Amino acid sequence: GAGVSQSPRYKVAKRGQDVALRCDPISGHVSLFWYQQALGQGPEFLTYFQNEAQLDKSGLPSDRFFAERPEGSVSTLKIQRTQQEDSAVYLCASSLISGAHQRDTQYFGPGTRLTVL
Amino acid sequence: GNSVTQMEGPVTLSEEAFLTINCTYTATGYPSLFWYVQYPGEGLQLLLKATKADDKGSNKGFEATYRKETTSFHLEKGSVQVSDSAVYFCASIGGYQKVTFGTGTKLQVIP
Repeated sequence: GAGVSQSPRYKVAKRGQDVALRCDPISGHVSLFWYQQALGQGPEFLTYFQNEAQLDKSGLPSDRFFAERPEGSVSTLKIQRTQQEDSAVYLCASSLISGAHQRDTQYFGPGTRLTVL
Repeated sequence: GNSVTQMEGPVTLSEEAFLTINCTYTATGYPSLFWYVQYPGEGLQLLLKATKADDKGSNKGFEATYRKETTSFHLEKGSVQVSDSAVYFCASIGGYQKVTFGTGTKLQVIP
């Protein structure tokens, strides 16, 4: 079956521009996650959705970052007034199971590489 | 909070050599442990996992055993191939599934 897809795969933005990154999770997956991966580093958690509810946004680095999942499937990560330090690969992952004490495998998309000039 | 520490790379091995990539974790409770692999130009792929102490995860000749007493989850392979060249990430999941990743170890296998 289809995996997690993300678009665009590459995005170049001028400093100060707004960008929107899209994630299509695996069909039926309840949980959706966004991660930021800086060059040469491991991914860092940004935010987590269970269906349409955003249960944790503690990893968002500033109020310029905003994520939504209005119908509990597709999610969009928006970055306003982009800065050079926002340059990174943004990864989306989904998993089937929800719940505080159930740990299911997360399946990752290919990522969107954002470069801010 | 949870944290994962893995050996720094790059690791360069000759084909058919034995591979070990060390990984240790700190966590409250009992996390699930994972190894993900990232091939050049591709996204993260799950390589193997273990959900409780003494479990052994295995896939494609790679193995890792969940060692609670040493809080470790070292990745091993008996005979590496050039196609194994990639970046390997150790990761843990605790609580509601928030994944904590190590910094990654780049493996280069030369013919």
